[in-house]
Amino acid sequence: DQQVKQNSPSLSVQEGRISILNCDYTNSMFDYFLWYKKYPAEGPTFLISISSIKDKNEDGRFTVFLNKSAKHLSLHIVPSQPGDSAVYFCAASAVTFGNEKLTFGTGTRLTIIP
Amino acid sequence: GAGVSQTPSNKVTEKGKYVELRCDPISGHTALYWYRQSLGQGPEFLIYFQGTGAADDSGLPNDRFFAVRPEGSVSTLKIQRTERGDSAVYLCASSSPGQGARELFFGEGSRLTVL
Repeated sequence: DQQVKQNSPSLSVQEGRISILNCDYTNSMFDYFLWYKKYPAEGPTFLISISSIKDKNEDGRFTVFLNKSAKHLSLHIVPSQPGDSAVYFCAASAVTFGNEKLTFGTGTRLTIIP
Repeated sequence: GAGVSQTPSNKVTEKGKYVELRCDPISGHTALYWYRQSLGQGPEFLIYFQGTGAADDSGLPNDRFFAVRPEGSVSTLKIQRTERGDSAVYLCASSSPGQGARELFFGEGSRLTVL
């Protein structure tokens, strides 16, 4: 039972344009959401997060949007740069309920075309 | 080092053998997590320590898997009677007091191959 789903295994975007990565979840108890970025042969690195009390969080070129009613979140990268090429994982947890483990999606491989 | 350190980076073993994977978390981080990532999948939770005790081991797939953190710092993941299906990258992560799942810092992983 995949509680966090990333339905697009891959995405290609022209350099300078906007990259939009999507994530859906099924567990209503999830109240904290994160995006991680992973380069080959490296561990995932934290990118940006959002609490369920917000619907948007912005950090430089990265913005995460949360739609609780649709159980959907998205990561926007603008403008996209070649160094953004990586695998992006969406993750969720239920921290309010004392659940400190992250549940990850299967990832989306983003390729930025110069 | 400043980050989470995992050893070995690569381990090849034969089916039925015993394996230990080590994780050295960021200094001062009280929470430590083990995840497993199979090819084409996202990281899958195995176990979480708060200090020396396992706060949640619900992700361990069966009793061949065991993890310890005797002094609240370094942790060892132990796999007995390895099977080919155990082949994966085993990731360790730690977080600072009060952060918990809000920001995990991952190591580079230990790639286990069971022949």
